[in-house]
Amino acid sequence: GAGVSQTPSNKVTEKGKYVELRCDPISGHTALYWYRQSLGQGPEFLIYFQGTGAADDSGLPNDRFFAVRPEGSVSTLKIQRTERGDSAVYLCASGAGDGELFFGEGSRLTVL
Amino acid sequence: GEDVEQSLFLSVREGDSSVINCTYTDSSSTYLYWYKQEPGAGLQLLTYIFSNMDMKQDQRLTVLLNKKDKHLSLRIADTQTGDSAIYFCAVGYSSASKIIFGSGTRLSIRP
Repeated sequence: GAGVSQTPSNKVTEKGKYVELRCDPISGHTALYWYRQSLGQGPEFLIYFQGTGAADDSGLPNDRFFAVRPEGSVSTLKIQRTERGDSAVYLCASGAGDGELFFGEGSRLTVL
Repeated sequence: GEDVEQSLFLSVREGDSSVINCTYTDSSSTYLYWYKQEPGAGLQLLTYIFSNMDMKQDQRLTVLLNKKDKHLSLRIADTQTGDSAIYFCAVGYSSASKIIFGSGTRLSIRP
């Protein structure tokens, strides 16, 4: 596609539920990043994939968060047992490995 | 770990130059970025500079890097109302590593 696509754009869920957020990167981009942005803050790094493997998952806050990229293209961020503090905009970015990252519009998660 | 600091707000008069400043802590940072975020929109890459450069100019944008002081600035010449946004400074260690963002500087334009 022309840009990074993220679905859903908005997700409202109840505390304790499981959530999946999807990212379709720019075609051909090998690098894929997940960030989380809370209101009034800068994006906070979560995880980075190079191809199918997680090259750096040091930003995942705890074991309730997990991400996969099984075929080296689409990625899914999975959050188990959601908490109110997980409410944020989850941003995905992709890159060709030349330093330029292109961001999607984000998935806004609200945990009630 | 890396820390990136920016002032939270900047107000300038339309037509003046805006200068947004950023400091970072890790001297091994190689890629230094400026991103723009308009209300309700995603992050837009404005420009970036390599750590072996002192300056980069792109139309109305000028990036200055003082590597000794670990200080990065973004100058916007002839600031327009369309420049109203939050500007994020970000740094990375390599072309394929994670990028660490500052908290953003909200630029507002006075008529």
